[in-house]
Amino acid sequence: NAGVTQTPKFRILKIGQSMTLQCTQDMNHNYMYWYRQDPGMGLKLIYYSVGAGITDKGEVPNGYNVSRSTTEDFPLRLELAAPSQTSVYFCASSYSTSGPYNEQFFGPGTRLTVL
Amino acid sequence: KNQVEQSPQSLIILEGKNCTLQCNYTVSPFSNLRWYKQDTGRGPVSLTIMTFSENTKSNGRYTATLDADTKQSSLHITASQLSDSASYICVVPYNQGGKLIFGQGTELSVKP
Repeated sequence: NAGVTQTPKFRILKIGQSMTLQCTQDMNHNYMYWYRQDPGMGLKLIYYSVGAGITDKGEVPNGYNVSRSTTEDFPLRLELAAPSQTSVYFCASSYSTSGPYNEQFFGPGTRLTVL
Repeated sequence: KNQVEQSPQSLIILEGKNCTLQCNYTVSPFSNLRWYKQDTGRGPVSLTIMTFSENTKSNGRYTATLDADTKQSSLHITASQLSDSASYICVVPYNQGGKLIFGQGTELSVKP
């Protein structure tokens, strides 16, 4: 049981380049999330999904896209990288959104630098 | 406005000492509050959850309290260890869709 896995761990992009951050969970969770964490700041929700085929915007979706073709995978796409997207990106999943089952399980993060 | 604020921003204590971290929230309606621990370079991990009806809950050396009237929670760490060095984050859900509001965290450093 690996939990939530993310690849890559680190990446340096040039302005205007594109990339996909991969996220996979093996807990059969319906709910999945993408966050970014800037230094000294709280985590901010980029996109989330309540099940395969269903995604919705979070607090800071501009410059990102997501898809959810399977329960396990929730990739995050950056189309035209900008320096403002330099951050640590966390993927998370949860069994439910209510009560004691709303615990979100986080991946190890991807540290992205855009130069 | 739904907010979660934590204090202090950072804290340095000596190994073996106790400390208390604070979390104030203005989220409404309120259902529960979680404390997460985030080690450097890792994702957050849940320590405990406090529901509306709970006042105190312990998890080993960690004790969380909740006062729903004043909208405050605290996390008390007893007999700190070097491995307690981490960021402690207070998190409150703000709708049924699973969206969470994260506090900025308290950066705890335990020194030998």
